[in-house]
Amino acid sequence: DTGVSQDPRHKITKRGQNVTFRCDPISEHNRLYWYRQTLGQGPEFLTYFQNEAQLEKSRLLSDRFSAERPKGSFSTLEIQRTEQGDSAMYLCASSLLAGAHYNEQFFGPGTRLTVL
Amino acid sequence: KNQVEQSPQSLIILEGKNCTLQCNYTVSPFSNLRWYKQDTGRGPVSLTIMTFSENTKSNGRYTATLDADTKQSSLHITASQLSDSASYICVVIPQGTSYDKVIFGPGTSLSVIP
Repeated sequence: DTGVSQDPRHKITKRGQNVTFRCDPISEHNRLYWYRQTLGQGPEFLTYFQNEAQLEKSRLLSDRFSAERPKGSFSTLEIQRTEQGDSAMYLCASSLLAGAHYNEQFFGPGTRLTVL
Repeated sequence: KNQVEQSPQSLIILEGKNCTLQCNYTVSPFSNLRWYKQDTGRGPVSLTIMTFSENTKSNGRYTATLDADTKQSSLHITASQLSDSASYICVVIPQGTSYDKVIFGPGTSLSVIP
C-alpha cells in the first residue's frame, strides 16, 4: 500500500496524559499536513511542512501541540496534557509541490483520539 | 468572514437514483474548489478539483459544477450505488492562500439504501 498511513488508528487516553501520533506520507511527497476533524464538521487545518520545515501553524495549534518532521519523511504530532476538547479525528495528508497551480492532497485514514 | 456552507445536511436516496449536493461559499477571490468523499472513519478522498475559470468537471458518475457569479457549486451523483454512502465535503482554496485559510464545508451525509 503506497498511500498515506497513520498510527495508531485509535487512541484512548485519560485527561492530562500526553499522546503522540505518527504519519507516513506518500514517499515522494514533499508536503505534509495535519488536520483535526470533529464529528459532523469538516477538517480544520493545524499545520503543514515542506520537507522538514514547518511553514505554517494554525491559531488552533495551542502550545500543548507540537509537530515535527525531522528528516522530511514521516511526521509526528504530540499533544501534551490532553483535554477532553482534544477528542477528535486527527488527519494527515501529503502532496507533491511540483509547480502546479494547486497540489492535490492525499489523506490518511486518520487517528481517532478519545480523551476520558 | 469566508464561509462554506453545504446543503442538505443529510440525504437518503434509493440505490440507482440521482442526487445533487449543494455548496455555497462566500470566499472571494478563490484559487480552486474541490469536492471530497469521506467514508465513515476514513480520510477524505478527492473527487474533483476546479479552478475559478472552470464550469464543470466530471469523474465517472460524479459531476461537479461551478457558478462563480452566484458563488455556488454542486455535485451531481448519477445512478447511485450503495458504496456512495459517505460524507461529501466541499473545500474552497482562497487565492494566494496560506493553508490556515483553506476552508472545508461541514459536509453532506449521503445514505444510499437498497
